[in-house]
Amino acid sequence: DIQMTQSPSFLSASVGDRVTINCKASQNINKYLNWYQQKLGEAPKRLIYNTNNLQTGIPSRFSGSGSGTDYTLTISSLQPEDFATYFCLQHNSFPLTFGSGTKLEIK
Amino acid sequence: EVQLVESGGGLVQPGRSLKLSCAASGFTFSNYYMAWVRQAPKKGLEWVATISTSGSRTYYPDSVKGRFTISRDNAKSSLYLQMNSLKSEDTATYYCARQVTGFDYWGQGVMVTVSS
Repeated sequence: DIQMTQSPSFLSASVGDRVTINCKASQNINKYLNWYQQKLGEAPKRLIYNTNNLQTGIPSRFSGSGSGTDYTLTISSLQPEDFATYFCLQHNSFPLTFGSGTKLEIK
Repeated sequence: EVQLVESGGGLVQPGRSLKLSCAASGFTFSNYYMAWVRQAPKKGLEWVATISTSGSRTYYPDSVKGRFTISRDNAKSSLYLQMNSLKSEDTATYYCARQVTGFDYWGQGVMVTVSS
């Protein structure tokens, strides 16, 4: 099974900050990496698919990058609505596996 | 608009069974792989099952293999998850999801609590 190590687990930042969240896979996942945002009590929402493709309707301040085993989600200028929990997902092979999540909080 | 609406959750005793349903609308259900994903309280996400468009192929992680069965009825645009021999660690919110490059659309989830 492919293990996804996500960091940091918690992140405190201010509106307007640039933040990055990382996911490291235990083996090459060929860019089959998605990023999701989840707010309290809501279902996850896909932000980025296949490393760097922005989901329709998602603001361009969200971007993704990476290859091989290392992937990054960047939020270029935090907005109040961005404070949430973020997860990565590898869909290169079964079993599909998620990162443990990053809770982004207001500083 | 894609909509996925889960139902069938509740409180169940360890060792008993429960069947979840997911009603899909807003897309041609029979053209898509579908999946279940769960989230234990205040925990991360765990993929639970995937089914192919026709239902001929199913996939499970070891944690539920042999206990859970995913199925679908394309005529009714519905997805199901039969859960047998339930354990306390199966307590979670269960999400129905459309599987396209990972999961693109998710339902709002249904809570399953396994407790005596």
